[in-house]
Amino acid sequence: DVKVTQSSRYLVKRTGEKVFLECVQDMDHENMFWYRQDPGLGLRLIYFSYDVKMKEKGDIPEGYSVSREKKERFSLILESASTNQTSMYLCASSFGSEGFWDIQYFGAGTRLSVL
Amino acid sequence: GESVGLHLPTLSVQEGDNSIINCAYSNSASDYFIWYKQESGKGPQFIIDIRSNMDKRQGQRVTVLLNKTVKHLSLQIAATQPGDSAVYFCAENRGDYKLSFGAGTTVTVRA
Repeated sequence: DVKVTQSSRYLVKRTGEKVFLECVQDMDHENMFWYRQDPGLGLRLIYFSYDVKMKEKGDIPEGYSVSREKKERFSLILESASTNQTSMYLCASSFGSEGFWDIQYFGAGTRLSVL
Repeated sequence: GESVGLHLPTLSVQEGDNSIINCAYSNSASDYFIWYKQESGKGPQFIIDIRSNMDKRQGQRVTVLLNKTVKHLSLQIAATQPGDSAVYFCAENRGDYKLSFGAGTTVTVRA
């Protein structure tokens, strides 16, 4: 089974803090993703990485950055946390095949509260 | 931009009945669709997928139907069980390995 592990289930941070969310996958997947999930808005893509040290902005990258130094690890960074970044954050990975069948596998999520 | 949406935000189903969850998509060029299930406190879990050259695909107790004419996708769950209570998302491939997700339908199974 594919396993995507997010380092924290719950985080509480203060406004202005630098926040790191970590994600590790164990299936040698090429692609990794960070989403945020808010009620009524579904999952929105923050950043995407298709290879080590490669990244691409998603739909809502403002206020976030990412790092992928190793294939299995993808980190989301909030440089200066703000209250509007309070949300559920989900990490996902996918194989990266050339075809259409690119199922994304998700971690359990990190619920971040910024006070 | 294009988006994927679900018809109803909530669905209440009697245990043992069949459930039908609907999803409308707007991008007629979409060629791949996935259904996910998200239980409380967990991340989304893959249920079933379908390519645009198919009308129907069956899994264990689940069937996905695709109607490209009206850009409609549905997930049918047979003999709904309490463990089926969750939020269900449809997603479409938007290219470059990315997916677009709908807002989700919350399914509640009544005993």
